[in-house]
Amino acid sequence: SYVLTQPPSVSVAPGKTATITCGEYNIGDKSVHWYQQKPGQAPVLVVFYDTDRPSGIPERFSGSNSGNTATLTISRVEAGDEADYYCQVWDSSSAHPLVFGTGTKVTVL
Amino acid sequence: EALLVQSGTEVKKAGESLKISCRNSGYSFSDFWIAWVRQKPGEGLEWMGIIYPGDSDIRYSPSFQGLVTISADKSISTAFLQWTSLKASDNAMYYCATGATASGTTPFDHWGQGTLVSVSA
Repeated sequence: SYVLTQPPSVSVAPGKTATITCGEYNIGDKSVHWYQQKPGQAPVLVVFYDTDRPSGIPERFSGSNSGNTATLTISRVEAGDEADYYCQVWDSSSAHPLVFGTGTKVTVL
Repeated sequence: EALLVQSGTEVKKAGESLKISCRNSGYSFSDFWIAWVRQKPGEGLEWMGIIYPGDSDIRYSPSFQGLVTISADKSISTAFLQWTSLKASDNAMYYCATGATASGTTPFDHWGQGTLVSVSA
């Protein structure tokens, strides 16, 4: 089965950079989206099609995707960035059309 | 802009049936994919299935195939998720989410508020 592997947790000091990876064989050939979920809330899209940001999402959030790893980078981390983050691939033509990553808990120290 | 409103909290017993809903407003219901996502307490997001209301194209996650039924009623701009016989393991929050475009690779930029389903043994 198609599994998107993320580190369970990432800890980062305020003002530093958090890097969250999403791994799967040849994920670079697919489009990856990233979601932020805070406790008790629905997920929010923060990066789409590997590198694009929805309106209202700070430029501190950026993405990349190549080879076997997609990456979400949060620069100048703030306390409000503490949340769970999920990568996602959705391709209606695929045998495994939609998959979420295992999720990463970002803790701001 | 799309707005997704889900039906309210459900408290059921194992073996009972259930149908929860996700009403869409503010955009053309038929033209965008709608996904259902499960989140068990303290766990991650799990894709259950997805429907394109325009032509009723439905895809199920292998993990949920045969366990749930996804449908949509275009006349009331509403998608549904239903069970014929609930299990205690169905205890979870269920979200619907809609794509930003009609593309088969679209991100899901609008989410419902979630429906909490509580099932007792």
